[in-house]
Amino acid sequence: DTGVSQDPRHKITKRGQNVTFRCDPISEHNRLYWYRQTLGQGPEFLTYFQNEAQLEKSRLLSDRFSAERPKGSFSTLEIQRTEQGDSAMYLCASSWGIDEQYFGPGTRLTVT
Amino acid sequence: QKEVEQNSGPLSVPEGAIASLNCTYSDRVSQSFFWYRQYSGKSPELIMSIYSNGDKEDGRFTAQLNKASQYVSLLIRDSQPSDSATYLCAVRRNRDDKIIFGKGTRLHILP
Repeated sequence: DTGVSQDPRHKITKRGQNVTFRCDPISEHNRLYWYRQTLGQGPEFLTYFQNEAQLEKSRLLSDRFSAERPKGSFSTLEIQRTEQGDSAMYLCASSWGIDEQYFGPGTRLTVT
Repeated sequence: QKEVEQNSGPLSVPEGAIASLNCTYSDRVSQSFFWYRQYSGKSPELIMSIYSNGDKEDGRFTAQLNKASQYVSLLIRDSQPSDSATYLCAVRRNRDDKIIFGKGTRLHILP
């Protein structure tokens, strides 16, 4: 049983560029979550999907952020026109319903 | 009041001793509680979940829940240097099923 995977693991980009991250959840899990974590903070909820439906998006998420899960399997998170404040670890987690969430290794984004 | 509060530490514990990590939460109707371990630069790893008042043991780890006091704790027996990490307390919020994380407690096991 493979765990949650994320790609890339690290991304360095210049301010103003677009970036896209991918998450592959545990295969039998129907829920997929995106979180953002900065140094010294716990993971902060961004959005989540149940199957292919995006059920909630944090009010903290600006219009520059968009996420998709087109076939209810993998998900992508895109950040347009990146800003230095977007630098963080982007974490994906999956679960079966409201059971325990399991995290992927994360994508560390650095905006220069 | 923050939804999930933890002392940020660092908490220093001698090797072989019991490490005690504490967490309080504000939503009195929350039903699900989780402890995650996070090594520096890595992602959170689920250690334990607890849903009922009392103690739940798994190897060297014991989670304790007191819903009346809105308090959850994690005990680590026979602490090892490899236990040095940040421990995140997480609570499922009843009104929307979101999991809310505390900022974490840094634990340092002294060899």
